[in-house]
Amino acid sequence: EVKLVESGGGLIQPGGSLRLSCAASGFTVSRNYMSWVRQAPGKGLEWVSVIYGDGSTYYAESVKGRFTISRDGSQNTLYLQMDNLRAEDTAMYYCVKDGIAATFDYWGQGTLVTVSS
Amino acid sequence: QAVLTQPPSVSAAPGQRVTISCSGSSSNIGNNFVSWYQQVPGTAPKLLIYDNDKRQSGTPDRFSGSRSGTSATLGITGLQTGDEADYYCGTWDTSQNIRLFGGGTRLTVL
Repeated sequence: EVKLVESGGGLIQPGGSLRLSCAASGFTVSRNYMSWVRQAPGKGLEWVSVIYGDGSTYYAESVKGRFTISRDGSQNTLYLQMDNLRAEDTAMYYCVKDGIAATFDYWGQGTLVTVSS
Repeated sequence: QAVLTQPPSVSAAPGQRVTISCSGSSSNIGNNFVSWYQQVPGTAPKLLIYDNDKRQSGTPDRFSGSRSGTSATLGITGLQTGDEADYYCGTWDTSQNIRLFGGGTRLTVL
C-alpha cells in the first residue's frame, strides 16, 4: 500500500527557513517522479516543485531560488527546504507521487506552513 | 491567475449531468495528457482521471474525461450529493518542464 506522510510544517517568521519531510512507503521514492503541491487557505492547488528519477529538479517561478527539493534513498524520504519564506508561502503543503505524464496518483495528508510575524 | 482556465463554479440537480471545462494552450494541454482531481473541502485531492480519459482505480464510470485540441472536459452523469467538491484539471508545460493546475471548479449539487 502506498503511503505518504508529511511533517515539518509550523509557524515561522518572514525570512525564516523550514524543511518539510515526506516519508514514503509502498514504493521507492528515488525511482519515481515526486512533487510538492501547495494550497493557500481558501485557494486552489499550486504546483511547487518536482524531482525526477534521474535527479533533475524543476520549480515554479514563485519559489525558484528559495526552495530546494531533494530526496534520501536510504530513508525513502522526500524533502523541501524552504528559505527566505514570505507571507504568501502560507499554505498546506502536499507531498505527491508524480508520473511521466504529470499524473499525481498518490497524495499525503499535507502539512501546514504559516508564515507570519 | 492559473494558466489553465476553469469555470469557478457549476451546479446541477441530483441525477443530472454536468461538464467542467479546462482550457489551455499548445504548450500544455495541446501536447500533453490531462488529469482531473476531486477535492472534498478539508481533505487531500484525489486522482479521478488520467491520460485524458482513463479512470483511476475506484473512480465510478459516471465520471469521464476527454481532450480536444487545447481544451479538456470532465463529465459527470447521474449526479449525487456526494459529488459536491472542488475539481481541478492538471497537465504539464513542455517548454518549461513545469506542472500546471487549473484554478478549480466548485461543483454544487442542488
